[in-house]
Amino acid sequence: DTGVSQNPRHKITKRGQNVTFRCDPISEHNRLYWYRQTLGQGPEFLTYFQNEAQLEKSRLLSDRFSAERPKGSFSTLEIQRTEQGDSAMYLCASSLGTGGDQETQYFGPGTRLLVL
Amino acid sequence: QKEVEQDPGPLSVPEGAIVSLNCTYSNSAFQYFMWYRQYSRKGPELLMYTYSSGNKEDGRFTAQVDKSSKYISLFIRDSQPSDSATYLCAITGGGNKLTFGTGTQLKVEL
Repeated sequence: DTGVSQNPRHKITKRGQNVTFRCDPISEHNRLYWYRQTLGQGPEFLTYFQNEAQLEKSRLLSDRFSAERPKGSFSTLEIQRTEQGDSAMYLCASSLGTGGDQETQYFGPGTRLLVL
Repeated sequence: QKEVEQDPGPLSVPEGAIVSLNCTYSNSAFQYFMWYRQYSRKGPELLMYTYSSGNKEDGRFTAQVDKSSKYISLFIRDSQPSDSATYLCAITGGGNKLTFGTGTQLKVEL
């Protein structure tokens, strides 16, 4: 295991469809984060998990968005009834925990979503 | 006002130049500071990480933090064309989300 992996890498969908993304964190990393990045901007925080518990959700995460991390391993991010404004790069990151070097977050390659 | 401010550039420098990239932040609770490099259409790659004021060096890269001024910098020595990318500063108060700057687009020309 060499890093965070995300699937799919690209997704094109029509407005109104549902999409689901998957993230596999680095082994033994307890914390898993989701971010969204639009063109010309830095990533924006969406939500994060400590093991299987979802500890914080951003106001950016509308009711159409849901994230899970069953068994504290991989995570999924689902967007229901997609809108054109959902088009973005969705990034996943993981970290060991809190304090010192454990704060370092490592990112996956991202899933690029295009909603037509 | 954004919590983290970063000049988006673009910044163009000749090969071999010293590059200085900067961010300012407003929340004094921030205590962990990271710099990421992001190539086009790729995920951010961690370059440097520090949680104290002062300098931290790693090869051609030096990260500098001044908590009293709420100012962080990344210096790149002997810049190479392969350094051409977007550089993101990211800051956290600990244990949770990163707050990113907009990113500075850097181009190192031959």
